[in-house]
Amino acid sequence: GDSVTQTEGLVTLTKGLPVMLNCTYQTTYSPFLFWYVQHLNEAPKLLLKSSTDNKRTEHQGFYATLHKSSSSFHLQKSSVQLSDSALYFCALSDWNNAGAKLTFGGGTRLTVRP
Amino acid sequence: GGIITQTPKFLIGQEGQKLTLKCQQNFNHDTMYWYRQDSGKGLRLIYYSITENDLQKGDLSEGYDASREKKSSFSLTVTSAQKNEMAVFLCASSLGGANAEQFFGPGTRLTVL
Repeated sequence: GDSVTQTEGLVTLTKGLPVMLNCTYQTTYSPFLFWYVQHLNEAPKLLLKSSTDNKRTEHQGFYATLHKSSSSFHLQKSSVQLSDSALYFCALSDWNNAGAKLTFGGGTRLTVRP
Repeated sequence: GGIITQTPKFLIGQEGQKLTLKCQQNFNHDTMYWYRQDSGKGLRLIYYSITENDLQKGDLSEGYDASREKKSSFSLTVTSAQKNEMAVFLCASSLGGANAEQFFGPGTRLTVL
């Protein structure tokens, strides 16, 4: 079945530094990848998504490129802010005639310190 | 825009008790989902439904029942609460389709004494 791996459970950075959160996936179908962000005591929200190979997608200063050759969809930002402290989930969509469902990675908690 | 409402916000139960969580959405979305989130961890799919009266099992369906009474509502029942169980249950909805965004509710926090 489908799977998503996020290798870092916890990332701590100083404000202004760049960040990359890793995401790799396994699927036998054409992949649709998502990044969701969950701030403390809030619901997860979509950050960005992609299904196009080798095309960078951006939102709110974050960006990611789907690389089908390496089954990766890493999330990056060039300069993190205090407000970026949150839990980040990579997710893979599995769609068939029973509808669409997401398989989530275990999540990466990003903490940005002053 | 729309909103997803989950009730109750906090649920405290006893071991062995049957507990029901409710979810309502006004997006007019076809597909609805129930996830379990353990503290600071990933989301695991319990049940989902692609239309009224449809139910599809997720990876974590054992110990749970679900019901999609109408398009706008989706309920989840914990059939026998486990002692010391603590988790947040998140409801979500989407238009369906592989690239559709899922919109999440605020969650129900379950504690079993």
